[in-house]
Amino acid sequence: EAQVTQNPRYLITVTGKKLTVTCSQNMNHEYMSWYRQDPGLGLRQIYYSMNVEVTDKGDVPEGYKVSRKEKRNFPLILESPSPNQTSLYFCASSFSFGGQETQYFGPGTRLLVL
Amino acid sequence: AQSVTQLGSHVSVSEGALVLLRCNYSSSVPPYLFWYVQYPNQGLQLLLKYTSAATLVKGINGFEAEFKKSETSFHLTKPSAHMSDAAEYFCAVRGGGSNYKLTFGKGTLLTVNP
Repeated sequence: EAQVTQNPRYLITVTGKKLTVTCSQNMNHEYMSWYRQDPGLGLRQIYYSMNVEVTDKGDVPEGYKVSRKEKRNFPLILESPSPNQTSLYFCASSFSFGGQETQYFGPGTRLLVL
Repeated sequence: AQSVTQLGSHVSVSEGALVLLRCNYSSSVPPYLFWYVQYPNQGLQLLLKYTSAATLVKGINGFEAEFKKSETSFHLTKPSAHMSDAAEYFCAVRGGGSNYKLTFGKGTLLTVNP
């Protein structure tokens, strides 16, 4: 079954304690990305990756890091989380060919930073 | 820079009525445009994508969107609303070429009244 998985699904942490949210896809997609969703602000892209070792900033990259060492994995790292990073996070992967695009989103990770 | 404005954070229609969700975009290059749907407590699902092949794009679940360059609009429509269409809808823009940054609008919540 084609899917994007995220772990953990729920996380409560404290300010300054480093954390990693994992994202994995089983479709061999080249493009992966991370988003955060906040009430009234919609979704905002944090980082994206066009392929292994190729990443770039989205609209809100501050306070986040990513890496793409393998095609299937795209972890999101919060080196020193702060309360304003409390949010719902989605990972996604996609494939585009001949104008057609297939996108899959993960189930989301709800993060609370105290 | 690219941006998206969704007019109306909340749209309410009766079952069987026309659904019209408005989206205006700004992009310095010919854009790719997307509509997504998010059902309550779920992740996002791609409804449709505009790639310049045709100005009228048909998506899943009976939705379609028309690209109007002169109006910089990409409004989403469905001729007859169904109760199951109740969800939040997001319009998004991605610049062409090597620009993979995806910028979302703030979303429109669609409610369908019986």
